[in-house]
Amino acid sequence: KAGVTQTPRYLIKTRGQQVTLSCSPISGHRSVSWYQQTPGQGLQFLFEYFSETQRNKGNFPGRFSGRQFSNSRSEMNVSTLELGDSALYLCASSTGGGLTYEQYFGPGTRLTVT
Amino acid sequence: SQQGEEDPQALSIQEGENATMNCSYKTSINNLQWYRQNSGRGLVHLILIRSNEREKHSGRLRVTLDTSKKSSSLLITASRAADTASYFCAFMEYGNKLVFGAGTILRVKS
Repeated sequence: KAGVTQTPRYLIKTRGQQVTLSCSPISGHRSVSWYQQTPGQGLQFLFEYFSETQRNKGNFPGRFSGRQFSNSRSEMNVSTLELGDSALYLCASSTGGGLTYEQYFGPGTRLTVT
Repeated sequence: SQQGEEDPQALSIQEGENATMNCSYKTSINNLQWYRQNSGRGLVHLILIRSNEREKHSGRLRVTLDTSKKSSSLLITASRAADTASYFCAFMEYGNKLVFGAGTILRVKS
């Protein structure tokens, strides 16, 4: 099976802009979750989607949003970018059990906000 | 939101030696997972141990879980240069958020 894919791999944006990141889960996986990784805060959970519905949410402001499509592919959007949003954004997929089960991670999207 | 605590923050050993890293948490958990991250393969799941298990093995990995002390340890035996990576524990926090530890950076010298 193909692994989790994320596009784009690298992105440079300017403060105030918005960005959309894409994630394609492993075939058959219905749970997709997103994480932000920074040197200062480490790995932090953003949200999880299952069957096109947000099932769990982390402690991030409303500027961070996501959605999931009927084919389980997911997108994450960050509006009004801030310098502190520079990070590696990781997507993971899992079986229906979601976060309590093994997460399969994609390679990540490296976002730089200038 | 809490972050799991891991120690040591960094560990440097010689090839062939064993490496032990520890994770502590504060909530009650159903299971605890360990992940490895390196530049070549990204973040990879290593092992999952359920709250009713005390020990679990996978190849050269041994994980223990002590729910009374709210702690877990990951032992890598006979380490190899390829084990050089960051290791993270992860568990579900109250409110259904997956929390990762701060990570242990392991360097295995050949």
